Amino acid sequence: DTEVTQTPKHLVMGMTNKKSLKCEQHMGHRAMYWYKQKAKKPPELMFVYSYEKLSINESVPSRFSPECPNSSLLNLHLHALQPEDSALYLCASSQDSFGGGETQYFGPGTRLLVL
Amino acid sequence: GENVEQHPSTLSVQEGDSAVIKCTYSDSASNYFPWYKQELGKRPQLIIDIRSNVGEKKDQRIAVTLNKTAKHFSLHITETQPEDSAVYFCAARANRDDKIIFGKGTRLHILP
Repeated sequence: DTEVTQTPKHLVMGMTNKKSLKCEQHMGHRAMYWYKQKAKKPPELMFVYSYEKLSINESVPSRFSPECPNSSLLNLHLHALQPEDSALYLCASSQDSFGGGETQYFGPGTRLLVL
Repeated sequence: GENVEQHPSTLSVQEGDSAVIKCTYSDSASNYFPWYKQELGKRPQLIIDIRSNVGEKKDQRIAVTLNKTAKHFSLHITETQPEDSAVYFCAARANRDDKIIFGKGTRLHILP
């Protein structure tokens, strides 16, 4: 399996809802990433997990909560989001995060709409 | 921290002609430079990458050049085809970091 998969593909939620985004890879990669992408903008890094430990949190609001249950899975828990959080949420993975293994492969994304 | 500038923001070329997209970076410690192509509604896909120990890399119609002294790198697409229409992002990464920094993107239109 050479792909990163994400579920769901689309998500509509209200500002009081709690939902989770899921990402999975079976390439044996040890680094996983969450990005947020607004229309006509580059992906914006949110979190990095390296060897199942959170290594980077780009000052993301606490209404976004990442979780890495094991080396193949990455979740993003959402709670009390705002309409401006509507975006495409991309997961990526890389073999590791340094020294030749840094190529990142993206999942198809979850398109999130917050009403 | 690293800053990546990308030009132009929009580029239109006639089918069959070449397209060139240029990026500059600020951190001399950056040593890995990927290029991603993103079609409308799709994921970014890696099309080519280059490391700082190499000056040029080619894959069929796509090539990337890197000038470490000037801190710039470029993507060259030859014999452009309609399916090359997309947004292209350059990026840079330093060895000490777990993250890559993206340029703002270039929207490439291939004209029939």
